[in-house]
Amino acid sequence: EVQLVESGGGLVQPGGSLRLSCAASGFSFSDYWMTWVRQAPGEGLEWVANIKQDGSEKYFLGSVKGRFTISRDNAKNSLYLEMNSLRVEDTALYYCARVGYRNGWFVDPWGQGTLVTVSS
Amino acid sequence: DIQMTQSPFLLSASVGDRVTITCRASQSISSRLNWYQQKPGRAPKLLIYAASSLQSGVPSRFSGSESGTDFTLTISSLQPEDFASYYCQQSYSAPWTFGQGTKVEI
Repeated sequence: EVQLVESGGGLVQPGGSLRLSCAASGFSFSDYWMTWVRQAPGEGLEWVANIKQDGSEKYFLGSVKGRFTISRDNAKNSLYLEMNSLRVEDTALYYCARVGYRNGWFVDPWGQGTLVTVSS
Repeated sequence: DIQMTQSPFLLSASVGDRVTITCRASQSISSRLNWYQQKPGRAPKLLIYAASSLQSGVPSRFSGSESGTDFTLTISSLQPEDFASYYCQQSYSAPWTFGQGTKVEI
């Protein structure tokens, strides 16, 4: 069974930093693109970043470019999101998910998310 | 960025109803359109990928279609477990973007 388990969320002050982790199991992690998607409380879904299987390609949402970094450790089956210069508007539940491809990219499955709260 | 305009925002329906949710892309996205279902407190779940392909394990009452830049998710006969929020998402180009979501309520 595919499992994605996020950790590392918490309360941080504006301007602070946080590192999210995602532990993957049940599939060959190194064969897949991976992604982070977030959801602010009571709001919709917002894509944050993608990373290629070997980490050689990365894509970011414009509002997080230069502040967030996505990385992976295929030996540890783990995905990371390093978040710096955090803003109140970054407050959200952050989902780690696998990216699939069949006539187009899609996101499946998703982890349960880790909550990041940016507040003074 | 490609904008995804989803409607309606809220849909009131009854068990057994045929339900339709639409999503319009701001430019051509070549069928790179996915639909997700999200229940309260749960992670999203993939229903439809590539505009009209049913994800494995998803009931056949769910279907997707497209006409140009307009995409439709149809639930042929609404079941109690289908009351949830639904999101479209384009994966044609980064940044991937989602529709605003549709809440289907009783």
